[in-house]
Amino acid sequence: DGGITQSPKYLFRKEGQNVTLSCEQNLNHDAMYWYRQDPGQGLRLIYYSQIVNDFQKGDIAEGYSVSREKKESFPLTVTSAQKNPTAFYLCASSILGLAGGPSTDTQYFGPGTRLTVL
Amino acid sequence: SQQGEEDPQALSIQEGENATMNCSYKTSINNLQWYRQNSGRGLVHLILIRSNEREKHSGRLRVTLDTSKKSSSLLITASRAADTASYFCATDAGYSTLTFGKGTMLLVSP
Repeated sequence: DGGITQSPKYLFRKEGQNVTLSCEQNLNHDAMYWYRQDPGQGLRLIYYSQIVNDFQKGDIAEGYSVSREKKESFPLTVTSAQKNPTAFYLCASSILGLAGGPSTDTQYFGPGTRLTVL
Repeated sequence: SQQGEEDPQALSIQEGENATMNCSYKTSINNLQWYRQNSGRGLVHLILIRSNEREKHSGRLRVTLDTSKKSSSLLITASRAADTASYFCATDAGYSTLTFGKGTMLLVSP
């Protein structure tokens, strides 16, 4: 799982509550990503960030929010507006590409957080 | 949208046999990567092949890329029980992000 940590490993939430998932990396990577994985499915991109204080929506950003106040940290908030939040959430990071954008070479993943809405 | 689609969805083999899984994609790419995921864990990068490469090796892994057919294959030779995992292809189409397929679940029995 490289130098990326995610906490907690398991998270339970009642409907209508917001919850924040933590992602920290010590790889000195500029780019960070959040993915959602549902059973038997691939990864879908929620948000990504290339530099501090900047982030872009991915394919399924609705009902989620992020912040990037520090290079090492990229927390994801699952809001009550997310209709079906129960899933496995993965955070990843990568170096910047030559053009200044995220490198699409190797991404390093954290161990994931499994969120269950009760 | 998911660009890469792996085939088969699931594969069951005996230890020592070779495992081949395929990935097809729809648009032109800069590179294609293969990742492995053990159950309930994060993904681990296995190998990257660029659009101007046709074949690449890493230990027991062999990856091929056919850009004319928009397809790639991952071959694991002399498989071991520890190779049991899900394998995903991911494509870089030049939009600063990777697009992952749904994965092939490999079961290697002792």
